[in-house]
Amino acid sequence: SQTIHQWPATLVQPVGSPLSLECTVEGTSNPNLYWYRQAAGRGLQLLFYSVGIGQISSEVPQNLSASRPQDRQFILSSKKLLLSDSGFYLCAWGGERGDPHEQYFGPGTRLTVT
Amino acid sequence: LAKTTQPISMDSYEGQEVNITCSHNNIATNDYITWYQQFPSQGPRFIIQGYKTKVTNEVASLFIPADRKSSTLSLPRVSLSDTAVYYCLVGDTGNQFYFGTGTSLTVIP
Repeated sequence: SQTIHQWPATLVQPVGSPLSLECTVEGTSNPNLYWYRQAAGRGLQLLFYSVGIGQISSEVPQNLSASRPQDRQFILSSKKLLLSDSGFYLCAWGGERGDPHEQYFGPGTRLTVT
Repeated sequence: LAKTTQPISMDSYEGQEVNITCSHNNIATNDYITWYQQFPSQGPRFIIQGYKTKVTNEVASLFIPADRKSSTLSLPRVSLSDTAVYYCLVGDTGNQFYFGTGTSLTVIP
C-alpha cells in the first residue's frame, strides 16, 4: 500500500533562517505531488504541485520554493523565513489514478517562526 | 474555478443524520464535486466525489441536483468521532484545486 511521509513533525525556526521540509511517497511511481499551507483557523492554501521530476508549478508567489529531485520526493524550501510563514504544512499525492480531486495527505509539519 | 460557499459551523447530536450543503453557482461543465474531512492537526481525508445525481459509499452520501449549483453531504447517524471540518471543493481535471475554510461540525453527546 502507499504511504506518504513528512518530516520533521514540528519545527521552530527564527525569522531569517532557512527552511527545508521533506515529503516522500512509498508504494507508487510518478505520483502527482502537492504542498499546502494551513494558517491557524484557516483553510488550506495550495503552494506548489509537481507532475514529475524537476517539474514544479507555483500557485502563490512568495519566499518559498519547491523541488522534486527524485520521483517520490518533494521538498519545500525557503532561504529566509518570515513570521507569516508559520503554519501547518501538508504534502499530498494524487492517488494511483493521478486524480487531483482525490488527494492523500501526509501527517504534516507544524512550523512556528519566532 | 468555481467558488464554493458552506456554513461556517454546525452542531448535531449523536445518532442524528447531518446534512451539509455547499453552494457552487458558477460550476463548470467539467467540474467535479469533492468532499474532504479534516481532524485537528491532521491532513484532510477524501470522503466522496460526484458529478451529478447521488453517490453513496460506506462513509457518506452526496446529493447533487440536476442544475449542479449546490451539493449536500449527508452523514448518517453521526458519532462524536465525526467532529471535524468538512470541505467542499469544485474543480475540473486540472491540478488547480482550492480548499476554502470548510464547515466545522461539532457532534454533541
